[in-house]
Amino acid sequence: EPEVTQTPSHQVTQMGQEVILRCVPISNHLYFYWYRQILGQKVEFLVSFYNNEISEKSEIFDDQFSVERPDGSNFTLKIRSTKLEDSAMYFCASRAVNEKLFFGSGTQLSVL
Amino acid sequence: AQKVTQAQTEISVVEKEDVTLDCVYETRDTTYYLFWYKQPPSGELVFLIRRNSFDEQNEISGRYSWNFQKSTSSFNFTITASQVVDSAVYFCALSIPTGANSKLTFGKGITLSVRP
Repeated sequence: EPEVTQTPSHQVTQMGQEVILRCVPISNHLYFYWYRQILGQKVEFLVSFYNNEISEKSEIFDDQFSVERPDGSNFTLKIRSTKLEDSAMYFCASRAVNEKLFFGSGTQLSVL
Repeated sequence: AQKVTQAQTEISVVEKEDVTLDCVYETRDTTYYLFWYKQPPSGELVFLIRRNSFDEQNEISGRYSWNFQKSTSSFNFTITASQVVDSAVYFCALSIPTGANSKLTFGKGITLSVRP
């Protein structure tokens, strides 16, 4: 089965630093998403991306966050100035039209 | 707005017992999808099932079965003859198919522990 690939699997950073989480969605998919899961809590929607622009974002996705699909294959989530509360598992997901959502295995971000 | 409620937070059973995980959803839309995902200790989200709102037929896949009842807005998941490998967090989720904005709204998850 095709896979969504996320790198790195773990990322440790200092508060205030910028981080970029990387994802390679499934090649023929058109819709891309980032979700977040704080330890022990539910999975929360951050942002959806289609046709090279954000189609929806949650209230969590403030000005510190940005997404980009720089080269037609990668899909990145950037956090400009990380805060302690950004520590979470970040999941990338993608789907084709009317298809199920495929999730990557996640990047565990730890902000110290 | 959509909402998914998983009232059970933790369930512990002994291997070979049957266990049902409850899910209740809220939406004003008539067209929607319901999902179950499994999150094992390794952390990834494993897709189990997607059901659309027009298909109330129950589904069975091996030891797994799902009971979708629109009258009670429930989409319950039963594991028959549970095994230790079933130990995980199980999430129910809902999406409204609105093109690019078909985000998933997740419940809080149920931690299932299956003891040998």
